[in-house]
Amino acid sequence: AQKVTQAQTEISVVEKEDVTLDCVYETRDTTYYLFWYKQPPSGELVFLIRRNSFDEQNEISGRYSWNFQKSTSSFNFTITASQVVDSAVYFCALSDFNSGGGADGLTFGKGTHLIIQP
Amino acid sequence: DSGVTQTPKHLITATGQRVTLRCSPRSGDLSVYWYQQSLDQGLQFLIQYYNGEERAKGNILERFSAQQFPDLHSELNLSSLELGDSALYFCASSFTGQSNQPQHFGDGTRLSIL
Repeated sequence: AQKVTQAQTEISVVEKEDVTLDCVYETRDTTYYLFWYKQPPSGELVFLIRRNSFDEQNEISGRYSWNFQKSTSSFNFTITASQVVDSAVYFCALSDFNSGGGADGLTFGKGTHLIIQP
Repeated sequence: DSGVTQTPKHLITATGQRVTLRCSPRSGDLSVYWYQQSLDQGLQFLIQYYNGEERAKGNILERFSAQQFPDLHSELNLSSLELGDSALYFCASSFTGQSNQPQHFGDGTRLSIL
């Protein structure tokens, strides 16, 4: 069975600090996909990034970066020079290739509530 | 704006009642997913449709049902409602419904059972 663990329930930092959100996953499949979503206070879920299990290259997009390490089954998300607008709940999610024909829906972690204080 | 439209945004009803939530996927997307977000269970996958056919089932209760119509919009029907069904219900869509594709979510329907 798939599982995603986000051990940090809530993180509070002061603006301009760097912050890393942890995500650890479990799956028996060799082909799988990892995602991060952002849920701002307004409630919608916003797609941030997808990573497949064969691509361990780290990715950077502006102030956001992602570190994927298969050896530790982790897919961590770092925000550099955080801003108040980054305040949201961030979800890590997993989708594997072989479950139900590759279409079982996403397995989400419980989310990390990130608070950026001015 | 994800391009996924959900109506209504809010719904307040009583126990024992039945409601229908509606979702229009992004233009060009053939697959629709439904999720439930509650404080105790978090975000849970309910069901997926692809081009009108049910493709996968998650933790969907027997009191709940869904369908996808020929124009690709989808409806989630919740019946015999209980207090515990109060939650935020999300619809998401993707192009072919394969697991490698990101799902784009609507703004959700907040259901409150009194």
